Amino acid sequence: EAQVTQNPRYLITVTGKKLTVTCSQNMNHEYMSWYRQDPGLGLRQIYYSMNVEVTDKGDVPEGYKVSRKEKRNFPLILESPSPNQTSLYFCASSSLDRKNYGYTFGSGTRLTVV
Amino acid sequence: AQSVAQPEDQVNVAEGNPLTVKCTYSVSGNPYLFWYVQYPNRGLQFLLKYITGDNLVKGSYGFEAEFNKSQTSFHLKKPSALVSDSALYFCAVRALNTGFQKLVFGTGTRLLVSP
Repeated sequence: EAQVTQNPRYLITVTGKKLTVTCSQNMNHEYMSWYRQDPGLGLRQIYYSMNVEVTDKGDVPEGYKVSRKEKRNFPLILESPSPNQTSLYFCASSSLDRKNYGYTFGSGTRLTVV
Repeated sequence: AQSVAQPEDQVNVAEGNPLTVKCTYSVSGNPYLFWYVQYPNRGLQFLLKYITGDNLVKGSYGFEAEFNKSQTSFHLKKPSALVSDSALYFCAVRALNTGFQKLVFGTGTRLLVSP
C-alpha cells in the first residue's frame, strides 16, 4: 500500500529536550515536506525537500531542522523544543510529475511540549 | 503570492440535502487546485484536484468541485450529504508556473451533517 508513515503518533516532551519525528514514504516520491496544523491557521509549511540532499525553508522554519539523506526518509528535528511548538505535525510527499502531482499525507504527530 | 480563502469556519447541513463548501484563491497564472478532507485523529486525505481541462471535477466519496476562473473559485459540492461526511475540509492551491515548493492551504471548513 502506498503510504507516508510518521512516528510517533503522540509525543509529550519537556522544554529543551531534543526530539525527532520520523517520516518515511514508499512511493519513490522526489518531493517531501513538513507542515504544522494549528487551530485557525490551517496548515503552514515548515521545510521541504525536492530530492536527496536538497532541502529548503518553508514559511515557519524557526526552531526546526530536517535532513534528506535517503529518498524515502525525511525526519523533522526539534533541537530544543519550546511550548509554542506544541502542534499537530504532518509529513507529506508528492511526485514532481505534473500529471501525478499532489500530496500524500502521513497520519500526523500530535506533539505537546510542557 | 498565492493564497486561499475558505470564508466559512463551519457549514451545517441536514443529511440528504446538497452541500457546498466554498473556496476562493489567488495565484499568478493558472492554478493547481485541491480539496482534502480530515477526519478526527486522521491525516488529510485527497478528495479531488483540478489542473486543466473540464471545469467540473469529480472526486472521491461522491464529491465534485467546479473551477470558475472568472470568480477565482473552486467550491466543493455534493448532491446529497451523509452524516459520515462530517469532517474538516481544506482547499489548497499552487500556481502552475511556479516551482514545486508548496501547496498553500486554507484555514479549513468544518462540515457538520445532522441526521
